[in-house]
Amino acid sequence: GAGVSQSPSNKVTEKGKDVELRCDPISGHTALYWYRQRLGQGLEFLIYFQGNSAPDKSGLPSDRFSAERTGESVSTLTIQRTQQEDSAVYLCASSLAVGGLGVEAFFGQGTRLTVV
Amino acid sequence: AQSVTQLGSHVSVSEGALVLLRCNYSSSVPPYLFWYVQYPNQGLQLLLKYTSAATLVKGINGFEAEFKKSETSFHLTKPSAHMSDAAEYFCAGSGGTSYGKLTFGQGTILTVHP
Repeated sequence: GAGVSQSPSNKVTEKGKDVELRCDPISGHTALYWYRQRLGQGLEFLIYFQGNSAPDKSGLPSDRFSAERTGESVSTLTIQRTQQEDSAVYLCASSLAVGGLGVEAFFGQGTRLTVV
Repeated sequence: AQSVTQLGSHVSVSEGALVLLRCNYSSSVPPYLFWYVQYPNQGLQLLLKYTSAATLVKGINGFEAEFKKSETSFHLTKPSAHMSDAAEYFCAGSGGTSYGKLTFGQGTILTVHP
């Protein structure tokens, strides 16, 4: 596609439910990133993929969070047993290569998750 | 580990005034540095990036940033603010020990008043 696409754009869920957030990166982009942006705060790194592998998962807040990527394309971020502190905008980005090469990352519009 | 610090969570300027948004980085090796802008209800958009080719980097919308190794800084400037510049600005860095991770600062909200 023309840009990074995330779905859904908005998600309201009840505390304790599981949610799946989807990211479709730009075609051909090997690197994919997930970030979380809480209200009034900066971007918090969650995880990045190089191809289908995740070399750095250090940002995942807890074992309730997991992510996978298949076919060097679509990625899914899953949050199990959601808590109110999980409420945030979840941003996905992709780039031609891993960020250390100074390559621009392109961001999606984000998924706004609200846990009630 | 790479870290990026933005000084000032809010900056307010008058239309036509100089814009200066501060960013400092910490790294054991020269990093790659970026400035992104987020307009209200929109995604992040790249303004400019430093990749060691030149220390003064020009970006879109009249913004520029200068990499100063001695000060470990990468401040963003624009000579004359426009109302449309009102947005949140993020400095980000990668490289060094955090090769694969793009690390963001906390963001600076720029307000431009008439």
